[in-house]
Amino acid sequence: QVQLVQSGAELKKPGASVKVSCKSSGYTFSTYYIHWVRQAPGQGLEWMGMINPYGGGTTYSQKFQGRVTLTRDTSTRTVYMDLTNLGSDDSAMYYCARDVGEGASGYWGQGTLVTVSS
Amino acid sequence: DIVMTQFPDSLAVSLGERATINCKSSQSLLFTSNSKNYLAWYQYRPGQPPKLLIYWASTRGSGVPDRFSGSGSGTDFTLTISSLQAEDVAVYYCQQYHSSPFTFGPGTKVDIK
Repeated sequence: QVQLVQSGAELKKPGASVKVSCKSSGYTFSTYYIHWVRQAPGQGLEWMGMINPYGGGTTYSQKFQGRVTLTRDTSTRTVYMDLTNLGSDDSAMYYCARDVGEGASGYWGQGTLVTVSS
Repeated sequence: DIVMTQFPDSLAVSLGERATINCKSSQSLLFTSNSKNYLAWYQYRPGQPPKLLIYWASTRGSGVPDRFSGSGSGTDFTLTISSLQAEDVAVYYCQQYHSSPFTFGPGTKVDIK
């Protein structure tokens, strides 16, 4: 069955960077886009960007342009989300999710809690 | 960016009764080339990742009970829970995937009356 397993919780200081991993199994890795979505405490869901595992092409929300980088390692079927220059408003649960067809996210990782605090 | 709005913000429905959530987009989500509306609905329960309920505005996701249905086209969409169950208490989000960024609505909280 399709599974996405994310790396563990992170505690970071303001101005630092965080790299969250998302390891896929149960399907052909190169076939479906992977999206990243976050939810800050008390806030709604926020789409950050997506990556095409086939060629590595990425699309980012303008809000995160310049701060977020999505990469993939096809040998390990893993996608990485790198977010730089963290601020307290980046404290959130971060999710990776696999596309089911042109943008809807049908399979989700368990989430990675990132806390930014001095 | 396409702006998604939802109403109501919250609703409380008796067990077994119908719950209806509305979602409106600032521009059409219909691609005339394939007659598909690029609109999804998700259920978000505390402590769990979001769950895809509906995509293409009206196609149920894998394993989703048939009491959940989606309708609408263009800019106006509806999620209906035909007979509310206790496990349906959650926040429901619509999302457009017509144009990047794939924006979500603000969410509608559903509770038991």
